[in-house]
Amino acid sequence: DAGVIQSPRHEVTEMGQEVTLRCKPISGHNSLFWYRQTMMRGLELLIYFNNNVPIDDSGMPEDRFSAKMPNASFSTLKIQPSEPRDSAVYFCASSDPLGPTGETQYFGPGTRLLVL
Amino acid sequence: EDQVTQSPEALRLQEGESSSLNCSYTVSGLRGLFWYRQDPGKGPEFLFTLYSAGEEKEKERLKATLTKKESFLHITAPKPEDSATYLCAVLNSGGYQKVTFGTGTKLQVIP
Repeated sequence: DAGVIQSPRHEVTEMGQEVTLRCKPISGHNSLFWYRQTMMRGLELLIYFNNNVPIDDSGMPEDRFSAKMPNASFSTLKIQPSEPRDSAVYFCASSDPLGPTGETQYFGPGTRLLVL
Repeated sequence: EDQVTQSPEALRLQEGESSSLNCSYTVSGLRGLFWYRQDPGKGPEFLFTLYSAGEEKEKERLKATLTKKESFLHITAPKPEDSATYLCAVLNSGGYQKVTFGTGTKLQVIP
């Protein structure tokens, strides 16, 4: 079984540019989470989708961040315009709360973003 | 607001030297407590889920236990390959899947 797939794995961009991060959850998982990890703040939840619908986006830092889930197998996290303080590792995770693994979240490998 | 505190922040062990990592939590109602392992440059890897006080789970050299206020991750006779950051997280009993993570314990096992 393929796990959560994220792309790109690394992204270097200049301040002001648009950045799009992509995620494919585990097949059959209907909950999807975007997290940001930094040394200072650890893992922070940005947004959570259930059945492709955003349930809670209170962790999204500001209007520069947006996320979509057009179908059950694909989600994007967009930053426009990007700023140096957005540099972090962004993780996508998925879960199948009604399935055998319950609410356990499974993480992708992450996208390492550096904004210069 | 749910809170998770992990201690120590870092732990250095000799190979074979058993020890425990602590995860203290404050949550309105616990629906689940999770332990993850994270290697440098990788995503968190699921280890255990604990649901109720008194529950224990084991996997190789790792054993997780749960009380009403904290969880321990016991590492018996660790090996260098156990070196990683161990993350604890809690899910409260509200009708929402938001998980709160601790900042982790960085474990180094020296040969």
